[in-house]
Amino acid sequence: KAGVTQTPRYLIKTRGQQVTLSCSPISGHRSVSWYQQTPGQGLQFLFEYFSETQRNKGNFPGRFSGRQFSNSRSEMNVSTLELGDSALYLCASSLYTSGGANEQFFGPGTRLTVL
Amino acid sequence: AQSVAQPEDQVNVAEGNPLTVKCTYSVSGNPYLFWYVQYPNRGLQFLLKYITGDNLVKGSYGFEAEFNKSQTSFHLKKPSALVSDSALYFCAVRDTNDYKLSFGAGTTVTVRA
Repeated sequence: KAGVTQTPRYLIKTRGQQVTLSCSPISGHRSVSWYQQTPGQGLQFLFEYFSETQRNKGNFPGRFSGRQFSNSRSEMNVSTLELGDSALYLCASSLYTSGGANEQFFGPGTRLTVL
Repeated sequence: AQSVAQPEDQVNVAEGNPLTVKCTYSVSGNPYLFWYVQYPNRGLQFLLKYITGDNLVKGSYGFEAEFNKSQTSFHLKKPSALVSDSALYFCAVRDTNDYKLSFGAGTTVTVRA
């Protein structure tokens, strides 16, 4: 079974631009979560989607948004990029069961550099 | 609110010695607890989880973890460390009433030959 895939793997943007990152979950997984990983802040939760609905959102500004499609694939968008948005963005998928006991499987991440 | 603390930024052990990575948590309800490992320039890999039942959980690559409700801890252990265990380890918790997974700051493990 193929793992979680993320595209692109590396991205370089300049301040003020916007970016869209893509995530394809493991087949059959309907929950997709996004995280930002930086050396200073560690792993921070961005948002979680299930059946095209955002169920939970972390403490990030409105410049960060996401969506999930009917095939469970997900995208996240960051508008008006700032230098501090430079990070590794990780996507994770999991089977859905009531109460969230299932582990998440992570993709390799997208390394975003903002110049 | 839920949170995780990993009190040690770094753990250094000699190959063949026991390895312990500490984790304490805070949740309002019952916890689901997870350990993940991250190798350089890679995503996170799932090691093990505690949902309910036996307090000692066994996972991948010879790792195990002990859930202690009274101490709100979930320490990761390996009886005999290998050089290849050198990596960044994350503890994570999810409240049974929440979909959000909260991670600790991570502990860098270095196993010397």
